[in-house]
Amino acid sequence: KNEVEQSPQNLTAQEGEFITINCSYSVGISALHWLQQHPGGGIVSLFMLSSGKKKHGRLIATINIQEKHSSLHITASHPRDSAVYICAVPGSSGSARQLTFGSGTQLTVLP
Amino acid sequence: SQTIHQWPATLVQPVGSPLSLECTVEGTSNPNLYWYRQAAGRGLQLLFYSVGIGQISSEVPQNLSASRPQDRQFILSSKKLLLSDSGFYLCAWNRDPGETQYFGPGTRLLVL
Repeated sequence: KNEVEQSPQNLTAQEGEFITINCSYSVGISALHWLQQHPGGGIVSLFMLSSGKKKHGRLIATINIQEKHSSLHITASHPRDSAVYICAVPGSSGSARQLTFGSGTQLTVLP
Repeated sequence: SQTIHQWPATLVQPVGSPLSLECTVEGTSNPNLYWYRQAAGRGLQLLFYSVGIGQISSEVPQNLSASRPQDRQFILSSKKLLLSDSGFYLCAWNRDPGETQYFGPGTRLLVL
């Protein structure tokens, strides 16, 4: 089974700070997903990446396939970035349909 | 554009009562459909997925069942709810396995 670990579990930052959230997994994958869960529960897919780096606005996701590690960065953080950030990878059978999710990182950005 | 709907948004049910949660997708055809549960303080757990009408795969043995009576309709059911069925239920879809999944707004279920 693909084990997914995220760190930190909780993160509090001041507005404007640079944020890094980490995700490690145990089994080689084809792609990794980063999701954002808002306080109300709604989930938005942020990135799906299989190599290198992707950028969307102030969000940057990187992945190192050899090291089985991905990071999500937020530049110039803002209180509206407060949410739970979740990484997900294909599950035990390798089927991309079956994602295994990390436990999430609760980010709080203070004004 | 594609949209995904779930209802109800919240539900409070007594133990032993039946359950029916509905998910519908608009603006696409033959989507892969998924049901997830997120228990309080826990991560997302895949419950069921479907690649087509009448085709359901179950990920974990449980008190729940799923059905796909139409191409863009996915239903999560239970005949008798347990306390442990409480949680946040999310439906999601994508076109191809491995592709980004798009999540519905979710249903909060509280079993008392």
